[in-house]
Amino acid sequence: EAAVTQSPRSKVAVTGGKVTLSCHQTNNHDYMYWYRQDTGHGLRLIHYSYVADSTEKGDIPDGYKASRPSQENFSLILELASLSQTAVYFCASSDGGGQNYAEQFFGPGTRLTVL
Amino acid sequence: GNSVTQMQGQVTLSEEEFLFINCTYSTTGYPTLFWYVQYPGEGPQLLLKVTTANNKGSSRGFEATYDKGTTSFHLQKASVQESDSAVYYCVLGERGSALGRLHFGAGTQLIVIP
Repeated sequence: EAAVTQSPRSKVAVTGGKVTLSCHQTNNHDYMYWYRQDTGHGLRLIHYSYVADSTEKGDIPDGYKASRPSQENFSLILELASLSQTAVYFCASSDGGGQNYAEQFFGPGTRLTVL
Repeated sequence: GNSVTQMQGQVTLSEEEFLFINCTYSTTGYPTLFWYVQYPGEGPQLLLKVTTANNKGSSRGFEATYDKGTTSFHLQKASVQESDSAVYYCVLGERGSALGRLHFGAGTQLIVIP
């Protein structure tokens, strides 16, 4: 059974609308991440969290908010969706970093199209 | 800063041919480096990890070695199969990051023709 799930798997949104992407993990991991994937850019970190009720900005946080209501759940929120936010979004979880750089486990992704 | 460069956007091979994917990185100190693989319709998954302790890693027939002198980290496989068709990401672990921050390259799409 998949340990990191995302919903919805695909979504079409209108410009200026609000979009919420959800992520759920059963790995019992403290760390969760949101990435976006664009052709030619690989994966870029948007937000991450290491404990419930706390989130941190990643490399490209503008236009995105994040929410971590519990250890298992991590949401990405686009308050005013824009065309430039059309991409595939991945959620991941891990035990963290430090010297061991724990493996990150990824969900299947959400394909978001903003029209 | 921390960055990873993969110049090969796509590699096309026939089955049983040799695979070599090039990657260079930029960071301070001694890096921890990874190769992640992404199959169609799935999220990336760890293929192998290399640290300064071992300089080399292998998994599922793939090998990777990093060279601090040339700041390179290449992935190779002696004989590819059609099932190896996927996108391969060179990934750098951010030094000193307790949060496990990773920096991904742009990815190399491998197409293996049967």
